[in-house]
Amino acid sequence: AQSVSQHNHHVILSEAASLELGCNYSYGGTVNLFWYVQYPGQHLQLLLKYFSGDPLVKGIKGFEAEFIKSKFSFNLRKPSVQWSDTAEYFCAVYPGSARQLTFGSGTQLTVLP
Amino acid sequence: DTGVSQNPRHKITKRGQNVTFRCDPISEHNRLYWYRQTLGQGPEFLTYFQNEAQLEKSRLLSDRFSAERPKGSFSTLEIQRTEQGDSAMYLCASSSPGQGGLRTEAFFGQGTRLTVV
Repeated sequence: AQSVSQHNHHVILSEAASLELGCNYSYGGTVNLFWYVQYPGQHLQLLLKYFSGDPLVKGIKGFEAEFIKSKFSFNLRKPSVQWSDTAEYFCAVYPGSARQLTFGSGTQLTVLP
Repeated sequence: DTGVSQNPRHKITKRGQNVTFRCDPISEHNRLYWYRQTLGQGPEFLTYFQNEAQLEKSRLLSDRFSAERPKGSFSTLEIQRTEQGDSAMYLCASSSPGQGGLRTEAFFGQGTRLTVV
């Protein structure tokens, strides 16, 4: 079965530190990739998406992600985090022709002021 | 607010009771999804509608679960004879068809948190 792995369950950083959250998927065909963020008490919101083209994708709030097909990875990065980035981050994949998203288990990011 | 709307936001029910949740998708979106999320996990797919047709159901959707989207607009998810294991956040999402019917990103509602006591 297709799966999405987020190996970091909880990441704690100080403000201004750089962030990289890992995401790996297990599907060899065409994929569409997403990062969603869930701020405390709010709904899931799209940070960025990859469908095709440039594998370096820029999203909202200074986030970016790089699709590396050979590594089956779509890691999320931000050069300098802020306290307001404290949230849970989910990687998600449309594998192949699937109609539904498959999500990772999420990474809780805590940014200390 | 033109986002995905879900009601109620919270539901506490006794084991064995039936519950029904409602989802109003973004108006121009013809695709609607239900997911379930438990603590420490990402959302898990339950079922998918395109217009009024239910095109896919997860094996997670037992016989006690039923979903409808009668006019291709709002959707309901009913759980009969609730069990404690049904306690979770139930999320609804919608999306529009991309060019040529391609997939596009899903927009999520705030969810209905179900607690079965």
